[in-house]
Amino acid sequence: QVQLQESGPGLVKPSQTLSLTCTVSGGSISSADYYWTWIRQHPGKGLEWIGFISYSGSTYYNPSLKSRVTISIDTSKNQFSLKLSSVTAADTAVYYCARDKGSSAYYVMDYWGQGTLVTVSS
Amino acid sequence: DIVMTQSPDSLAVSLGERATINCKSSQSVLYSSNNKNYLAWYQQKPGQPPKLLIYWASTRESGVPDRFSGSGSGTDFTLTISSLHAEDVAVYYCQQYYSTPLAFGGGTKVEIK
Repeated sequence: QVQLQESGPGLVKPSQTLSLTCTVSGGSISSADYYWTWIRQHPGKGLEWIGFISYSGSTYYNPSLKSRVTISIDTSKNQFSLKLSSVTAADTAVYYCARDKGSSAYYVMDYWGQGTLVTVSS
Repeated sequence: DIVMTQSPDSLAVSLGERATINCKSSQSVLYSSNNKNYLAWYQQKPGQPPKLLIYWASTRESGVPDRFSGSGSGTDFTLTISSLHAEDVAVYYCQQYYSTPLAFGGGTKVEIK
């Protein structure tokens, strides 16, 4: 059973860079079949897709965040990461990492981490 | 970019009754080459991540009770809970995966009447 777990600071100062890591267990992140995704949810609001990365490192970002987002993958650690630069209070949200269904349905997320709340405040 | 719009924002349904949630995409998510609708539904309970219920507009994810069903094509879709159980209280989201950026609807909160 695949499991994902987000980790990183819960508090980030404005203008700094938010950095989160998603550790994958129960399956290899090197599998050619899947996309590894970051999604966020502002408090009490809906879901916003941030972007995803393939096992080979190909990335796709939401244009609304593209200038500030970097998603990377570390196959040796079975992890992928999110960096969001120049954060403001508007980036305060619960951040989820997720995996898609692969060839069954690319870009449909069937495994999710529990989410981690990141607050941007001085 | 495709925009997803859900209605209603919330609804209250008696236990055992039917709940119907609508989702509309700003452009068709039906891919003509394979005749598939690139539309998924998720359920999110408080303090939990979303859970996949349905993809390809009507394919139930493994383990999802058959009281959940999805229908629709093109730009108009529906999630139906045929007989509401107490554990179905949640927010439901639709998602298009026809093109990037992936997009979710605003969510529909289902409560017990």
